[in-house]
Amino acid sequence: DTGVSQDPRHKITKRGQNVTFRCDPISEHNRLYWYRQTLGQGPEFLTYFQNEAQLEKSRLLSDRFSAERPKGSFSTLEIQRTEQGDSAMYLCASRMPDRVLSGANVLTFGAGSRLTVL
Amino acid sequence: GENVEQHPSTLSVQEGDSAVIKCTYSDSASNYFPWYKQELGKGPQLIIDIRSNVGEKKDQRIAVTLNKTAKHFSLHITETQPEDSAVYFCLGNNNAGNMLTFGGGTRLMVEP
Repeated sequence: DTGVSQDPRHKITKRGQNVTFRCDPISEHNRLYWYRQTLGQGPEFLTYFQNEAQLEKSRLLSDRFSAERPKGSFSTLEIQRTEQGDSAMYLCASRMPDRVLSGANVLTFGAGSRLTVL
Repeated sequence: GENVEQHPSTLSVQEGDSAVIKCTYSDSASNYFPWYKQELGKGPQLIIDIRSNVGEKKDQRIAVTLNKTAKHFSLHITETQPEDSAVYFCLGNNNAGNMLTFGGGTRLMVEP
C-alpha cells in the first residue's frame, strides 16, 4: 500500500449522466475525506468518513451527490444527473486515527479524479 | 467552521530569492498548521507542518513560523529554485474539527 488511490483519473461525460469515483485510502487510515477543486481555487471540503460512518457533509454536497464507505475501507462518490458546473477535480484524502499521536492530523491525498461535463 | 485566509494569491521571485506566504485563521482552538504543495495534475502533498506547542520549525530550505496570538502562520522558502514553482496551500484544522479548510492558495513562480 503506497498511498491513496483514485479511479478513474479522468472522466468525460455528457450532461445528465451519472458518474462514480472510487477512492482507496491508506489501509491503516480510518478517516477519509472528499474535496472538490476547481481551476485556480483551493480544495473545498465535501464530506468526511470515520470508518464507515459519514460524520460531516458540506452544504456543497447537493442531493445529486452521494458518498459511501460501506466497509470502512474504500469509498465511492457518485454524482447523478451531472451538470456542467460539476466539472472539477475530485480529491480524496485519508488520515490516521487520533489515538496515533504522531502524524495524526496529516492528510494524505490521492492524485484526484478530473471530471469534465460536456 | 474555520475561516482561513491566505496571502498573496500569486508570488513571483527570482531564483535564489526567498518567498514568504502567510495564512490567517479564525479558530483559536486550532493546534495543527500544515502547508501543502500542489504541482500541476497532482494532489496536494504535505511539505511541512507545525503544532501549537512550538513557534518555528525548519526543514532544509523550508520553514514554518506560528504566531498564535495574532492567529497566523507563515511558510518561508529560502534559496528558491525553479522546481519550487507550484501552488501552495495552508490548511486550518484542530483535533476536534473535521471540516478541514484550505486557504485559497498561492501560486509561486520562481524565474531562472
